[in-house]
Order: sequence, then structure tokens, then C-alpha cells
Amino acid sequence: GDSVTQMEGPVTLSEEACLTINCTYTATGYPSLFWYVQYPGEGLQLLLKATKADDKGSNKGFEATYRKETTSFHLEKGSVQVSDSAVYFCALSAGGAQKLVFGQGTRLTINP
Amino acid sequence: NAGVTQTPKFRILKIGQSMTLQCTQDMNHNYMYWYRQDPGMGLKLIYYSVGAGITDKGEVPNGYNVSRSTTEDFPLRLELAAPSQTSVYFCASREGQSSYNSPLHFGNGTRLTVT
Repeated sequence: GDSVTQMEGPVTLSEEACLTINCTYTATGYPSLFWYVQYPGEGLQLLLKATKADDKGSNKGFEATYRKETTSFHLEKGSVQVSDSAVYFCALSAGGAQKLVFGQGTRLTINP
Repeated sequence: NAGVTQTPKFRILKIGQSMTLQCTQDMNHNYMYWYRQDPGMGLKLIYYSVGAGITDKGEVPNGYNVSRSTTEDFPLRLELAAPSQTSVYFCASREGQSSYNSPLHFGNGTRLTVT
């Protein structure tokens, strides 16, 4: 079945460092891909999405490119801030009801 | 705009007890979902609904039941609670088929402990 694999966490960086969180997927057909973010005590929020190959999603300085040839959707940011500390989930959308399949999440901590 | 509202926020159950997790949304979304989040495991889909009167099983439905009598409400029922159901439960909704790939809107979750 469809699945998403994210890099193991937790990830700890200093402020202004570069960030990459790896995400690869297995799916039949042509899924849409998403990154969601979860701040402490809250539900998940959509960070960005891409619906077809070579699309780039971007939001709040984060970017991810849908790479069909490598079945990847890595999340990147050039300069992280303390406020970026959260858990990040990669997900794909599959099926008629557009059910989301999530990766296991990556906890990111940014130190000042 | 309240979005997706879940109650209660926290609950402790004894083994064998029952309870209903409430979820309501005020966005007139057709699609609603229940996920559970276990540490290091991501989110797993329990049940989902594509409209009032229509529900279907997700990846981990055993031990749960749902109903969808109105567009707004999608309660999740736990019968005979077991320690394996200790988790954080999230309800989510999205627009329907006409808005393909519209984002999920999540509630803030219910943290359930079964002892």
C-alpha cells in the first residue's frame, strides 16, 4: 500500500542554520504531497503542498519540490528560527476520499 | 470561525469503560476523518466520512465506531476501552470532491489514557 518515510528525528539546530528534512514515498498512481506542521498542544496545520511532478510548494520560507524520479519531497529552509521548533509531517493524498497517509513525523528544535 | 472543535481535551478511562469523543466543524465540509497519533508513529486513520450518513473504515478501525448523522458532527465511540487505545486522537475535515486536494483542518486533539 501507499506509505511515507521521513528521516528519523529529533533534529536540533542552531538559529540561522540550514534545514533539510528528508521524505520519500511509495504510491500507486500520482499522489499529491504535503508537509504539515504541529506546534506544541495543537493540531496539524498545512505548511505547503505540491500536486504534480516538479511542482514546488513554498510557505514561510520553507520549500519542497515534488520529485517523481526519486519519489521524494524533501523539506528545506535556508535559515531557521526558534519559532520553527515543531513536529513536521510529510504526507501523501490517495484514494477517492483523498485520505492522507502520514510519515512518522520529525521533531525539530531550534536553539537560539 | 471556530473551525474543528474536539471535546474533551483530556480523559482518563479505566479498562472496559466506554466513551464518545466529540468532533464538530462549522465550515460545512463534507469530508471528515478521525486519526490517532502514537509517539514516533505518525498519524493512523481510524474512520472517515464523505458526507452525512456515509462512513468507512480506515487503517486501524478495530475497537472504534463512528456515526455521521449531520454534516457538522462526527463522533468517535470507544467501546470496552483497552490500554492499546491510549493515544492522542485528532479529528479533521476538508471540503469535498469539488475542491480536490484542499487542505485538512485539524482540531486540537483529545489525549486519552486507558489504565
